[in-house]
Amino acid sequence: GQQLNQSPQSMFIQEGEDVSMNCTSSSIFNTWLWYKQDPGEGPVLLIALYKAGELTSNGRLTAQFGITRKDSFLNISASIPSDVGIYFCAGLFNAGNNRKLIWGLGTSLAVNP
Amino acid sequence: ETGVTQTPRHLVMGMTNKKSLKCEQHLGHNAMYWYKQSAKKPLELMFVYNFKEQTENNSVPSRFSPECPNSSHLFLHLHTLQPEDSALYLCASSRYPWTGKETQYFGPGTRLLVL
Repeated sequence: GQQLNQSPQSMFIQEGEDVSMNCTSSSIFNTWLWYKQDPGEGPVLLIALYKAGELTSNGRLTAQFGITRKDSFLNISASIPSDVGIYFCAGLFNAGNNRKLIWGLGTSLAVNP
Repeated sequence: ETGVTQTPRHLVMGMTNKKSLKCEQHLGHNAMYWYKQSAKKPLELMFVYNFKEQTENNSVPSRFSPECPNSSHLFLHLHTLQPEDSALYLCASSRYPWTGKETQYFGPGTRLLVL
C-alpha cells in the first residue's frame, strides 16, 4: 500500500533558524497537505497543494508539491518559539472511486529561544 | 480556538468497562470523522459520516461503535477494549465529505488509556 516517509523525525533548532522537512513516497499523490499539531490539540491545516510543482506560502511557511508528485517539502523561515509542535504531511491518493489520505509519522520541532 | 469540541479530554478505563466519547462541531459542517492517533503510527481514519449516514468504516473492530444522531454530534461507544486501543482519538469535521478540497477541522482529542 501507499506509504509516506517523513523526515527528519525530530529537529532541535535555535530561534531564528530556518527549518526544512519533507515527505517522500514511491507512490503518486494528487494532493499534499501539511498540518501542525500543538501539544494537547488536534492537527491544524497549514498549507494545501493541489498541482505538481505548486509552491504555496502561508506567512513564514512555504510548501511545494514535487514535480514527480511523489514528494513535498515544508520550509519554515526565521523560526520562533511558537513554531514548536509536530508537523505532519498527508498525501491524497485518488484513483476513481478509491480515495485515501495517507499520513506521515510527523516531524517534531523544538525551538530554543 | 476550534469549532470542534471533544469530551472527555482524558479517559482511563478497564477492559470490561463501557464508555463513550463525544464530539460536537459548531461549524455547520455535514461530514464528521473519527481518527485514532497512536505513537509511532500514521493517523488512522476509523469512520466517516456524511449527513448522519456512515459512509466509511475502515475495518474497525466491533468493540468501537460509532453513532451520529445529527450532523453536529458524533459519538464513539467503547466496550471491552484492549490495552492496545490506548491512543488519542480525534474527531474532525468538514463542510462536505472529504475529496481533497475541503479542509478538515480537528478537535483536541480524547486521550484514552485502557488498563
